[in-house]
Amino acid sequence: KQEVTQIPAALSVPEGENLVLNCSFTDSAIYNLQWFRQDPGKGLTSLLLIQSSQREQTSGRLNASLDKSSGRSTLYIAASQPGDSATYLCAVRASRGSTLGRLYFGRGTQLTVWP
Amino acid sequence: DTGVSQNPRHKITKRGQNVTFRCDPISEHNRLYWYRQTLGQGPEFLTYFQNEAQLEKSRLLSDRFSAERPKGSFSTLEIQRTEQGDSAMYLCASSLGEGAETQYFGPGTRLLVL
Repeated sequence: KQEVTQIPAALSVPEGENLVLNCSFTDSAIYNLQWFRQDPGKGLTSLLLIQSSQREQTSGRLNASLDKSSGRSTLYIAASQPGDSATYLCAVRASRGSTLGRLYFGRGTQLTVWP
Repeated sequence: DTGVSQNPRHKITKRGQNVTFRCDPISEHNRLYWYRQTLGQGPEFLTYFQNEAQLEKSRLLSDRFSAERPKGSFSTLEIQRTEQGDSAMYLCASSLGEGAETQYFGPGTRLLVL
């Protein structure tokens, strides 16, 4: 069974810092990996999706990398702002077996950026 | 608003009652997913549909849970004889394609079973 782990569980930083959030997964047979943002009590907002054949994706101040063979992904946030405060979730989609439709999620990293 | 919508947004019920949630996916999206999220955890997969066909169900989906997607448009998730352990956020997502694409999530329905 695919297991996804996110480190750290929580992070509190001053505004302006560059951040790295880590995600690891146990089964490297994935179609893609997706990073989401979740504000308290809300649904998930997709940030970046990396296909298994890709190494990284960028969107504005966000950059996500994928090393499928080692089962790792990182989300890099440049010049953090208080509005970035949220929980960041990593999810992988399996590429084999009967679980082709589902995403496997980590528990998330709760980020607080203070002014 | 052209995103995924879910109703109701909040539901409080007494143990033993039945509840039904509705999800309206993004128009034209052929895939629809249900997830459940408890406090401090990531979402856990429950089931998904491709058009009107339910293709996979998690072991989390006990006999008390049933999901439908008639005509391949909106979907309903029903929980019969609710238990306190069913208290969670129920999230719906939709996507267009064969599975390698982005899943777009709705705002969720928060269920509290007293």
